[in-house]
Amino acid sequence: DAKTTQPNSMESNEEEPVHLPCNHSTISGTDYIHWYRQLPSQGPEYVIHGLTSNVNNRMASLAIAEDRKSSTLILHRATLRDAAVYYCIPLKSSGDKLTFGTGTRLAVRP
Amino acid sequence: DSGVTQTPKHLITATGQRVTLRCSPRSGDLSVYWYQQSLDQGLQFLIQYYNGEERAKGNILERFSAQQFPDLHSELNLSSLELGDSALYFCASSVGRGLIDTQYFGPGTRLTVL
Repeated sequence: DAKTTQPNSMESNEEEPVHLPCNHSTISGTDYIHWYRQLPSQGPEYVIHGLTSNVNNRMASLAIAEDRKSSTLILHRATLRDAAVYYCIPLKSSGDKLTFGTGTRLAVRP
Repeated sequence: DSGVTQTPKHLITATGQRVTLRCSPRSGDLSVYWYQQSLDQGLQFLIQYYNGEERAKGNILERFSAQQFPDLHSELNLSSLELGDSALYFCASSVGRGLIDTQYFGPGTRLTVL
């Protein structure tokens, strides 16, 4: 299983962009990179996923390095509601279980 | 609101007892997953059911069992409870059988074993 490294915590100001990094240097060529987040007192929530090229959706953007050894989740304008623990999870395309590491705890300052 | 419902929200019981947690998946989802989140172990995958059949197993103890019924709701049974079983238990659902499918999580059941 690919291992991930994420900073334990990050801080951002409200309405500013946030870049959440994830290192997954042991990822294989067919592993998708998924991001989930867990808001306080709630279950995890899917954010975005990608394979090789950058991806955008209404919640965030995902920038994947050309060598796929790292990726960055981008929140374009952080809101207070974005304060959560963000998990970067590589998943095999053939089927894999969600393995949540320790994630990055994002605090958003008003 | 993810569309996944879990009952009860909170459960307090004693060591040695048995409890049942219930999960109703989103409409149309065939897979149900169970996770345990404790302070020391983080969020751990327990088991997956797809359309009534066990599909994948994670770190589920022998004292725990699950099933998925014909109406697709699922129950997680925890028996001979120990203090260390105190945790948040989440259920998730997805459309397909693949673990790679986007999973939608319920609000969780907080279990306290005294």
